Amino acid sequence: DARVTQTPRHKVTEMGQEVTMRCQPILGHNTVFWYRQTMMQGLELLAYFRNRAPLDDSGMPKDRFSAEMPDATLATLKIQPSEPRDSAVYFCASGLVLGDRAGLGAEQYFGPGTRLTVT
Amino acid sequence: AQTVTQSQPEMSVQEAETVTLSCTYDTSESDYYLFWYKQPPSRQMILVIRQEAYKQQNATENRFSVNFQKAAKSFSLKISDSQLGDAAMYFCAYRGLYTGRRALTFGSGTRLQVQP
Repeated sequence: DARVTQTPRHKVTEMGQEVTMRCQPILGHNTVFWYRQTMMQGLELLAYFRNRAPLDDSGMPKDRFSAEMPDATLATLKIQPSEPRDSAVYFCASGLVLGDRAGLGAEQYFGPGTRLTVT
Repeated sequence: AQTVTQSQPEMSVQEAETVTLSCTYDTSESDYYLFWYKQPPSRQMILVIRQEAYKQQNATENRFSVNFQKAAKSFSLKISDSQLGDAAMYFCAYRGLYTGRRALTFGSGTRLQVQP
């Protein structure tokens, strides 16, 4: 049963600390997305990778957030330094896109999320 | 930019009855995908159903079906024979077909309660 995994599931940290969230996409998928869910903003895109290359990180605060894919089986999202307003649920999703048409593999499969609380 | 609007923050349905959740969207693209995702209290985002804009036939998955009106930019979800396990947040989402940005644009969600 292939699924996206995320660690940790819960993280409580103090303001100013570094936070690292990890995601393992479904084996064989070539796209990875990071979304953030808050009550105020809903679900919003932070970053998007295709074949490990970042294609869109326009939704991510560049001064404190960074996203990488060290290899095809691991995506990371880091916040340094963290702030209380970063408290949210962070989702990773993966999919398979073939060619230029997104039609093949339009679905994105979500991980269980990381609930981050910054005090 | 694409936007997705869900105008019903909360809905309630009796077990075994039918409920329809509304979604409208705005786009200048002619080819795209629409999705409904379910988010139960566990927070897991679960894909319920998808619709390709170029297909006139409405998608169906067991008790879940959509009413896709492309000209009206409307995409509603019908849940038949509602079950207690259907209680969750439901999100409508849009994804363009040819744009470089392949991420999903979500609506604000509708919380569905199922009464026994």
